[in-house]
Amino acid sequence: AQSVTQLGSHVSVSEGALVLLRCNYSSSVPPYLFWYVQYPNQGLQLLLKYTSAATLVKGINGFEAEFKKSETSFHLTKPSAHMSDAAEYFCAVQGGSEKLVFGKGTKLTVNP
Amino acid sequence: DAGVIQSPRHEVTEMGQEVTLRCKPISGHNSLFWYRQTMMRGLELLIYFNNNVPIDDSGMPEDRFSAKMPNASFSTLKIQPSEPRDSAVYFCASSFSLYGYTFGSGTRLTVV
Repeated sequence: AQSVTQLGSHVSVSEGALVLLRCNYSSSVPPYLFWYVQYPNQGLQLLLKYTSAATLVKGINGFEAEFKKSETSFHLTKPSAHMSDAAEYFCAVQGGSEKLVFGKGTKLTVNP
Repeated sequence: DAGVIQSPRHEVTEMGQEVTLRCKPISGHNSLFWYRQTMMRGLELLIYFNNNVPIDDSGMPEDRFSAKMPNASFSTLKIQPSEPRDSAVYFCASSFSLYGYTFGSGTRLTVV
C-alpha cells in the first residue's frame, strides 16, 4: 500500500525567499512520485514527476524536487518565491497500479 | 486538446434529489478517475476505470453513489438520493498508462 505525508498544512514565505514543501512517502514497490498545484477554484495541475530516472526532477514555474530513497522523501523547492506561487500543493505517490494516493496538501502563502 | 471536461461547473440541489456529474476524458487516455475534495477529508479517490471497466470502487461512500463509463469518451457519477454531506468538489481525471493524471476543473456540488 502507498501513503503520503505532507509536513505542514500551511507554509508562509516572503517574496524572493526559498520555498520548501516537505513530502514523505511510503510504498511497497518502487514508486512514481508527483507534485500537483491547485489554484483557487481550479483543478490540479501537474508540476513535476519522478519516474525512476534522474533523482532531481525539474518542473514548471521554476520548481524542482529531489527523490531520496534513503529518506523516503520527495521535497519540493523553488529558490525564489513569487506572489503567483500562492496556491495549494499536493504530493502524490503511485505504485504498481494506476491509482494516485494524495497527501493532505500544503497551502503556500507568499507575503510581499 | 481541450483537456478533461467536466459539467456542470456548479450544481445546487435539494436534499433527496438525484445528481448526475459528467466527464469527458482526454482522447486516447485509457484510465479515468473520480475524486472528491473536501476541507475535512482532502482528496479521496472514489472509483477508477481502465479501458471503460471499473477497477476499484472501494472509495465509493455508499450505495447512493454510482458511476458508469459507457464508452471511452464519457463517464458519469450519480448520487441518488443526495444528502448535505455530499457537498464537495468532485474532480474527474484521466491518464494514459502510469504518467500522471490530467484533472478537469471540477464540479462544485452543494446539497441544501
